[in-house]
Amino acid sequence: EADIYQTPRYLVIGTGKKITLECSQTMGHDKMYWYQQDPGMELHLIHYSYGVNSTEKGDLSSESTVSRIRTEHFPLTLESARPSHTSQYLCASSGGQGPQETQYFGPGTRLLVL
Amino acid sequence: AQSVTQLGSHVSVSEGALVLLRCNYSSSVPPYLFWYVQYPNQGLQLLLKYTSAATLVKGINGFEAEFKKSETSFHLTKPSAHMSDAAEYFCAVSGGGATNKLIFGTGTLLAVQP
Repeated sequence: EADIYQTPRYLVIGTGKKITLECSQTMGHDKMYWYQQDPGMELHLIHYSYGVNSTEKGDLSSESTVSRIRTEHFPLTLESARPSHTSQYLCASSGGQGPQETQYFGPGTRLLVL
Repeated sequence: AQSVTQLGSHVSVSEGALVLLRCNYSSSVPPYLFWYVQYPNQGLQLLLKYTSAATLVKGINGFEAEFKKSETSFHLTKPSAHMSDAAEYFCAVSGGGATNKLIFGTGTLLAVQP
């Protein structure tokens, strides 16, 4: 059973506010990921991390930023939220190598920017 | 480069009928292939994965998928649908490696009629 947590689960916020979406995992995984998912659409990778102090941008351009100061924690921040940021954000982590490696997902955060 | 195509954004079956969800992939390296399920307002849960061992992969909840290299397919099946199978299903491909980024299909929403 995967132990990966995201808070808040739902967030409604006004334009221009700064927000941080939290993601934590207790599995000791080195790799962590953030995906963005619009309704009825596929997931797009927006950020990933190989380990502490390592962050990379994903395939989909995003105005959000991430940090990885601790292995278990991978928060995502939007400095100034806009309606175009309305989406679902899914965090994942993975451990192991090659065929043993599997990504486990958190429950997601649904963000609505008014 | 890798990609995934899921044929049919919506599939409807009767309870007790066969479930068949189609996935075709493109990969320049031997792929790892995954099926995830997403229930409403939840994150993604791994159903099964193919990592170059047996071509017929059995997963949770009675689902299985067969890797067919000649057809570049990885279709998901279940002999008898249950009401609880209603969800969205995502096929994904990874080339492995250091990043192990997942490329997702657009998803198939499965409806199960009583």
